[in-house]
Amino acid sequence: SAVISQKPSRDICQRGTSLTIQCQVDSQVTMMFWYRQQPGQSLTLIATANQGSEATYESGFVIDKFPISRPNLTFSTLTVSNMSPEDSSIYLCSVGGEGSEQYFGPGTRLTVT
Amino acid sequence: GQNIDQPTEMTATEGAIVQINCTYQTSGFNGLFWYQQHAGEAPTFLSYNVLDGLEEKGRFSSFLSRSKGYSYLLLKELQMKDSASYLCAVKGGYQKVTFGIGTKLQVIP
Repeated sequence: SAVISQKPSRDICQRGTSLTIQCQVDSQVTMMFWYRQQPGQSLTLIATANQGSEATYESGFVIDKFPISRPNLTFSTLTVSNMSPEDSSIYLCSVGGEGSEQYFGPGTRLTVT
Repeated sequence: GQNIDQPTEMTATEGAIVQINCTYQTSGFNGLFWYQQHAGEAPTFLSYNVLDGLEEKGRFSSFLSRSKGYSYLLLKELQMKDSASYLCAVKGGYQKVTFGIGTKLQVIP
């Protein structure tokens, strides 16, 4: 199994600012995923991050708003840019492997005021 | 694309059995997950089905029928701590996992 940590665990940010969320995995993984969970909603995939290439974004999400870095096989960052109250969510990092492995980090709870 | 349907809410009695259904329509299928999520916490893996049939794991069982695009999660001997949201999710191409809206289960005494 993979152990995933995220920083920060929670933050309160002002409108118009940006926040970078870090995701660290204890083993090398090919693919990392970033999800958002808005209040009372299920998880929505933001993008898939592969090491050495640009992230692949899902419909409704763009790189200017959610830039992602993937510098190596154990680490990724997601930046939430020019934040608005609608960005208040839990952001989760996930890693997947072959077969049934699909693990989630503890999440970053973001509140935008 | 992926379309996943499950009931939004269910209520069941402590000690009873509850079945949470999930139907899906997907452009690719590489397995179906069930996750449990308590309020304010990250999802916790419960089960993964890739072949048809029933997988039993303690009080929890999960069933899959690929031809019908249907799965269910069965919870036996319900406990108060089982009150949570249960998320059905489908793994499609490129290991991408798409989640349903989740079923909020309330267990009452």
